[in-house]
Amino acid sequence: QVELVESGGGVVQPGRSLRLSCAASGFTFSSYGIHWVRQAPGKGLEWVAVISYDGSNKYYADSVKGRFTISRDISKNTLYLQMNSLRAEDTAVYYCARDLFSITMILVVPFHWGQGTLVTVSS
Amino acid sequence: QSALTQPPSASGSPGQSVTISCTGTSSDVGGHNYVSWYQQHPGKAPKLLIYEVSKRPSGVPDRFSGSKSGNTASLTVSGLQAEDEADYYCSSYAGSNNLVFGGGTKLTVL
Repeated sequence: QVELVESGGGVVQPGRSLRLSCAASGFTFSSYGIHWVRQAPGKGLEWVAVISYDGSNKYYADSVKGRFTISRDISKNTLYLQMNSLRAEDTAVYYCARDLFSITMILVVPFHWGQGTLVTVSS
Repeated sequence: QSALTQPPSASGSPGQSVTISCTGTSSDVGGHNYVSWYQQHPGKAPKLLIYEVSKRPSGVPDRFSGSKSGNTASLTVSGLQAEDEADYYCSSYAGSNNLVFGGGTKLTVL
């Protein structure tokens, strides 16, 4: 069965960096785009970024553009989110979510979700 | 990338139907048929209920249905059950390879 497991969250000071990982299993990792979606405590969902199945296309929300970088390592079946210049407003649970459709550049349906990893930005 | 507008709360009694709206603009909801709906129980990851306005993934009961008119999409939950009590989020493609979510609606089963 499809499984996504996020890791790398924790407490970090404003301005510092953190890298999240998302280990995938149960499907052909190289065939699906994968999203990062975050949820601030007690708040709604916010789409963060997505990477295409082959890694050739990467898209970001305006709120993280220039600070966050999404990448994937097909040899490790792992997705990453490098987060730099972190701000208090980046505090959230970060979910990775596999897209519904395979081998497509239309990446609009986060389908299988992990359980999330909490990032807290605080001094 | 403004969030889509959802009512903060909705409610209904068991067996009744309830409809949750999701209002956007012609750049997102009104301009594409890439509207999805998610259910989220407390402390859990979201679950996809509806995609492409009205399609259901395998395993989602047909009590959940979606529709769209103009810039507003809707999720209808028929035959309300206690386990339907959760937060519901809509999402839509917003152009320029961006996705936008609604603010969420807390559904209470009375």
